[in-house]
Amino acid sequence: GQQVMQIPQYQHVQEGEDFTTYCNSSTTLSNIQWYKQRPGGHPVFLIQLVKSGEVKKQKRLTFQFGEAKKNSSLHITATQTTDVGTYFCAAPNNAGNMLTFGGGTRLMVKP
Amino acid sequence: SAVISQKPSRDICQRGTSLTIQCQVDSQVTMMFWYRQQPGQSLTLIATANQGSEATYESGFVIDKFPISRPNLTFSTLTVSNMSPEDSSIYLCSVKGDREGPQHFGDGTRLSIL
Repeated sequence: GQQVMQIPQYQHVQEGEDFTTYCNSSTTLSNIQWYKQRPGGHPVFLIQLVKSGEVKKQKRLTFQFGEAKKNSSLHITATQTTDVGTYFCAAPNNAGNMLTFGGGTRLMVKP
Repeated sequence: SAVISQKPSRDICQRGTSLTIQCQVDSQVTMMFWYRQQPGQSLTLIATANQGSEATYESGFVIDKFPISRPNLTFSTLTVSNMSPEDSSIYLCSVKGDREGPQHFGDGTRLSIL
């Protein structure tokens, strides 16, 4: 089945430092989605990328979809304690109706 | 996006018993899914809940252990049967309105089995 690999598994940063998580697929993807799960919460949809090489920004968050549509990244500039949580990428199957989630990157921010 | 109510939010159960989790959506949705998230882990899809027919289960999950109902386009239940400590997990329902759109999750049910 489809596999989505995500690194790193954990990241500790000092508040104000930048953070990046990477997502890789063995197959070409029709789109990739990013979710954030706060401690004790449920996954919340952040963004969907569809086009090759697409870059989207949400305030301090920058999302990128690779040219080959096999990888993606999420970059947070100047982290804040509110950024704490686990960030998941997720890719649809060929039929487009189900998602496979990456392992997630747990971000911890020291104030 | 749809408002999803999932209950119970948490429960502590005895081994060998069964628990039914409910997922109610405030609007009709095409697709509903049930996930399991073990402590510190990612989300694993249990099954797709199909309206009016049997659910579609993923590898490693069977109907006898995780029976699912979906009587209409706004409601689904997942039963965790004959529970053991290994079933301690968070169970999440999610919905999506269109085929390639995002999924939206309920708050989850935190289940502990003693």
